[in-house]
Amino acid sequence: NAGVTQTPKFQVLKTGQSMTLQCAQDMNHNSMYWYRQDPGMGLRLIYYSASEGTTDKGEVPNGYNVSRLNKREFSLRLESAAPSQTSVYFCASAGRVAGSETQYFGPGTRLLVL
Amino acid sequence: EDKVVQSPLSLVVHEGDTVTLNCSYEVTNFRSLLWYKQEKKAPTFLFMLTSSGIEKKSGRLSSILDKKELFSILNITATQTGDSAVYLCAEGGGSNYKLTFGKGTLLTVNP
Repeated sequence: NAGVTQTPKFQVLKTGQSMTLQCAQDMNHNSMYWYRQDPGMGLRLIYYSASEGTTDKGEVPNGYNVSRLNKREFSLRLESAAPSQTSVYFCASAGRVAGSETQYFGPGTRLLVL
Repeated sequence: EDKVVQSPLSLVVHEGDTVTLNCSYEVTNFRSLLWYKQEKKAPTFLFMLTSSGIEKKSGRLSSILDKKELFSILNITATQTGDSAVYLCAEGGGSNYKLTFGKGTLLTVNP
């Protein structure tokens, strides 16, 4: 049981390049999330997916697109990377702990846009 | 707009000290208050609080929620260097288990 996995762990892009961050979970969770974390800003929600086939914008969606490929996988795409998108990206999925919902996080992807 | 504010933003203590981290929230539809610990990697879940006045405890860590005054505290007693981390507070008031995070408290425990 791997939990939430993310690839790649680290990526360097040039401004204008595109890339897709991959996320998968094996906990049979319905809900999945993409966050970015910047120094002094905490975790900010980019997009989330409440269930397979649905996606919704979070707090900072501009410049990103997502795909909920199936129940396990939720990918985040940067179509034209900008230096402002340099950040650490975390994927999470939500499930129940002791009767209440909580989120489990992947190990993160560190992205540097030059 | 839902808001979560943590204080202090950073804290430096010596091993053996007791620390209290604060989290206040303003939300339209409160569901739960969560605490996470983050040590240079993914946040790991510590506690979830939904009821006022009931302390949750795990070893040297404990947390309590005050729904009337809209805040929670996380206590760590007899701190160790391994407690050094960013502690994140989040409110789970949104639909679909969405969380609103505070900016975190950076705790440094010196030997």
